[in-house]
Amino acid sequence: DSGVTQTPKHLITATGQRVTLRCSPRSGDLSVYWYQQSLDQGLQFLIQYYNGEERAKGNILERFSAQQFPDLHSELNLSSLELGDSALYFCASSPQAGTGRELFFGEGSRLTVL
Amino acid sequence: GQSLEQPSEVTAVEGAIVQINCTYQTSGFYGLSWYQQHDGGAPTFLSYNALDGLEETGRFSSFLSRSDSYGYLLLQELQMKDSASYFCAAARGSARQLTFGSGTQLTVLP
Repeated sequence: DSGVTQTPKHLITATGQRVTLRCSPRSGDLSVYWYQQSLDQGLQFLIQYYNGEERAKGNILERFSAQQFPDLHSELNLSSLELGDSALYFCASSPQAGTGRELFFGEGSRLTVL
Repeated sequence: GQSLEQPSEVTAVEGAIVQINCTYQTSGFYGLSWYQQHDGGAPTFLSYNALDGLEETGRFSSFLSRSDSYGYLLLQELQMKDSASYFCAAARGSARQLTFGSGTQLTVLP
């Protein structure tokens, strides 16, 4: 158990809908990262927050948005969902930002868009 | 652009040694990490190399050559539980965000 909690674990929804994925980082970690993993693919970096502020942005679609709240939990919002958005969405946390060292990953939220 | 290349599959027998290579092309490179993932579960950190050379952690070792843009993960005394996907990831940019390779599926045979 990494200490990173993601909810929901599984989510099935329809095209055009909107969903929110939630992540609670490890106690004391200030950085939160979101990654997308499609079937048999690597992890695609979406976005990073550090202590409430956006720190880095990767290949995140305009239909997707995220934020980190004062209590350091983070939410990833996915809207106007398409079939291709079906994937595992991982949240990871680290104590600081900008070290490149160990990230602690949650178990992921599996999104299925029908 | 940013890219990391690693073999898609590797097979070895229990007790053997296997090396998973990773070559990278990325600007603003700071270091190379390795992660293990079992069957779509949470990726778990194995090692990180910021400097050239070998880092050893138990049965696992990782190597980096910055001049060759190349690294590898060495797994010794393979066990069945080592069957998993292994990802190399390059830390880049001022935020040191990780760019992952596509992963190598390691199958350990009895």
